[in-house]
Amino acid sequence: DTEVTQTPKHLVMGMTNKKSLKCEQHMGHRAMYWYKQKAKKPPELMFVYSYEKLSINESVPSRFSPECPNSSLLNLHLHALQPEDSALYLCASSQGVSLNTEAFFGQGTRLTVV
Amino acid sequence: AQSVSQHNHHVILSEAASLELGCNYSYGGTVNLFWYVQYPGQHLQLLLKYFSGDPLVKGIKGFEAEFIKSKFSFNLRKPSVQWSDTAEYFCAVNVGAAGNKLTFGGGTRVLVKP
Repeated sequence: DTEVTQTPKHLVMGMTNKKSLKCEQHMGHRAMYWYKQKAKKPPELMFVYSYEKLSINESVPSRFSPECPNSSLLNLHLHALQPEDSALYLCASSQGVSLNTEAFFGQGTRLTVV
Repeated sequence: AQSVSQHNHHVILSEAASLELGCNYSYGGTVNLFWYVQYPGQHLQLLLKYFSGDPLVKGIKGFEAEFIKSKFSFNLRKPSVQWSDTAEYFCAVNVGAAGNKLTFGGGTRVLVKP
């Protein structure tokens, strides 16, 4: 199994809503990531979890709150988002956080904030 | 901080033509280099990677890339493209200094005409 599964595939939410994005992998990877990809732009790193602990936060606004309940799951809790937060949110995982490992990406959740 | 530059934003070519996409990065230390492809509506897929060793790397679907350390380059090539190679191609670098943190180039949209 070399898949990273993200749910939902599409999400439309209002600016006052609270929602969560979910990511799951069963490859035994100990590092998981959230990336944000705006239209016609490259993915940009948001968060890195290593061994279920947050190791990198790329100065992401607090309206995005990541959570890693266990080594297979990664959530991104969303609250009071803005329309400019509309984007494709990609989850990825890798064996570790050192060099010489590759990241596997999920299909993403396409988020629209209205 | 490291940066990644992709020379072409858009490339249009006919089937059976040869493809070369340029990628340059700015970082003087040890790097991992990747090319990812994103087909329309699909997730990022790894085409090939360079960690160490032979600088000529072969990937999936007939793609190859050459790491030229002196030029800080990692150009992607395919001798004969097919219509199904229509996609967006991203070069990415991991310097490992702060976790497995991929920095992506701006992407190149490739359109192969049948």
